[in-house]
Amino acid sequence: TQLLEQSPQFLSIQEGENLTVYCNSSSVFSSLQWYRQEPGEGPVLLVTVVTGGEVKKLKRLTFQFGDARKDSSLHITAAQPGDTGLYLCAGRRGGSNYKLTFGKGTLLTVNP
Amino acid sequence: NAGVTQTPKFQVLKTGQSMTLQCAQDMNHEYMSWYRQDPGMGLRLIHYSVGAGITDQGEVPNGYNVSRSTTEDFPLRLLSAAPSQTSVYFCASKLQVGSYEQYFGPGTRLTVT
Repeated sequence: TQLLEQSPQFLSIQEGENLTVYCNSSSVFSSLQWYRQEPGEGPVLLVTVVTGGEVKKLKRLTFQFGDARKDSSLHITAAQPGDTGLYLCAGRRGGSNYKLTFGKGTLLTVNP
Repeated sequence: NAGVTQTPKFQVLKTGQSMTLQCAQDMNHEYMSWYRQDPGMGLRLIHYSVGAGITDQGEVPNGYNVSRSTTEDFPLRLLSAAPSQTSVYFCASKLQVGSYEQYFGPGTRLTVT
């Protein structure tokens, strides 16, 4: 059973379009992270959210942590070809458990 | 400041061979970990270390050994490679076990035939 479900699995859009990808779970997380991974490279951390309802913005990217801390979304405004990559969410359960659980990712392609 | 480095970048092994994947970081991070990434499976934790001399198992530790003799290095050993170990392996580090900021290496693509 996958603890973190990401959707959609694949997304192909044109430059300038907006998009939202989702990360959902039936479990509560103390924090949730989003990473971007480009082909042949390791994941790079984009953001960490720790408070239910928290919204963080990183230029054209907006991240939201659900009020119940079971889900998160990533919204990209006016997507650019440079946004192309695999977007991974990862959650930490909390307490003394610092291990990260990763979703399977959303592969985004932004066409010029 | 090179961050997290991994060698080799690519490796092909025959079933039953052994090898060591190297990982090093120059950020004086206490916490280091190994993940494998397989299509449709996401990243799964193999082993981790909260400091020199301390290691523990992650989600998928079978077939892998680790040691942490220095803060900088965290090698991953495959004792007898199997085709099921064909994967991309990532090493990661962060300042401490409770830190959020985690840095990944570029990965090693391993094929076992």
